Amino acid sequence: AQRVTQPEKLLSVFKGAPVELKCNYSYSGSPELFWYVQYSRQRLQLLLRHISRESIKGFTADLNKGETSFHLKKPFAQEEDSAMYYCAPKRGGYYKLSFGAGTTVTVRA
Amino acid sequence: KAGVTQTPRYLIKTRGQQVTLSCSPISGHRSVSWYQQTPGQGLQFLFEYFSETQRNKGNFPGRFSGRQFSNSRSEMNVSTLELGDSALYLCASSFLRGRDNEQFFGPGTRLTVL
Repeated sequence: AQRVTQPEKLLSVFKGAPVELKCNYSYSGSPELFWYVQYSRQRLQLLLRHISRESIKGFTADLNKGETSFHLKKPFAQEEDSAMYYCAPKRGGYYKLSFGAGTTVTVRA
Repeated sequence: KAGVTQTPRYLIKTRGQQVTLSCSPISGHRSVSWYQQTPGQGLQFLFEYFSETQRNKGNFPGRFSGRQFSNSRSEMNVSTLELGDSALYLCASSFLRGRDNEQFFGPGTRLTVL
């Protein structure tokens, strides 16, 4: 069965500290992977996608096919990074996004 | 461009009733997906429509149904409501150009079943 796991429900870090959100998936073939973010009282929105290999708001995510992971990282967390983060794989060629359970990140001053 | 809109924003129903939620995608977007968001289960996929056809369906009972109109607007219907149907229902639209299609989410409809 296809599955996505975000092992941490809650993550609390101090401002300026590194933050890493874990995501592991079990998908056959070549899935496409996304990270979505939901800030307080805002809509769920795309943060970044693996296919673009981009850095958004200081966040990067590397797809590790060997470990089937797509961890999200930021070297220096900021208070405005406090939000709910969802890892979302999509089976290649399909249009259904599956979301992990989400990780709530709190960045403390 | 206006974003995805959902109506109503809040809804209170009682068990056994039925409810219809509406979603207007971003102009030009032809794919509309529906998700249920609850604190315990997170975001769960309900179904996805493209050009008035349901192409993907999640693991929800038949009480949950939907449809899409020719203008890409979509409705979701839940019949015989149960307490456990209380959730935030999110609609997302995408343009579907190429593989890397981003989904744009609406603000959601908060359904409370009493």
